[in-house]
Amino acid sequence: DAGVIQSPRHEVTEMGQEVTLRCKPISGHNSLFWYRQTMMRGLELLIYFNNNVPIDDSGMPEDRFSAKMPNASFSTLKIQPSEPRDSAVYFCASSGQAYEQYFGPGTRLTVT
Amino acid sequence: GESVGLHLPTLSVQEGDNSIINCAYSNSASDYFIWYKQESGKGPQFIIDIRSNMDKRQGQRVTVLLNKTVKHLSLQIAATQPGDSAVYFCALVGGAQKLVFGQGTRLTINP
Repeated sequence: DAGVIQSPRHEVTEMGQEVTLRCKPISGHNSLFWYRQTMMRGLELLIYFNNNVPIDDSGMPEDRFSAKMPNASFSTLKIQPSEPRDSAVYFCASSGQAYEQYFGPGTRLTVT
Repeated sequence: GESVGLHLPTLSVQEGDNSIINCAYSNSASDYFIWYKQESGKGPQFIIDIRSNMDKRQGQRVTVLLNKTVKHLSLQIAATQPGDSAVYFCALVGGAQKLVFGQGTRLTINP
């Protein structure tokens, strides 16, 4: 199994631009999680889906952030417009029936 | 709400020595705990887990101890190797399938 796949691995963009991060969960997993990691705040859960349905988006910082999961094998996290304070590493993780979550390699986002 | 704290943000040990990383939690209702390892430039990787009906679980060179009385979790790594250098996170199930992560402890192995 290829594990959780994220793209791009690195993204550098200018303030105000739209950013779209992509994730392909492990086949057969029915839960998908988006996290943000920074030195100051550590690993924060932004949103998670179960069977493609958003269950808890209380961690989404503000309306500039949105996430979708159109099917079981694909999810996007979009930031529009992006701001320098959004600079972080964004992880996608998936899980099956167990609580254990499998993380992707992350997308390092830099907003200048 | 749930919170997870670490006793030390950094830990340095000599190669070959044993390491102990500690974690405290506040939610006594948590019934599942996980330790993750995150190497530089990578996502967190599952190491070992333990359910609340256990107080000890062993893996390959790792042991997790759970003390529910004082809400304390520890990860012991035996005979540390250079490849053990990483940030270690404890996490607990905070509700539904959500995991609540601690801030992490950076383990450095000195040659």
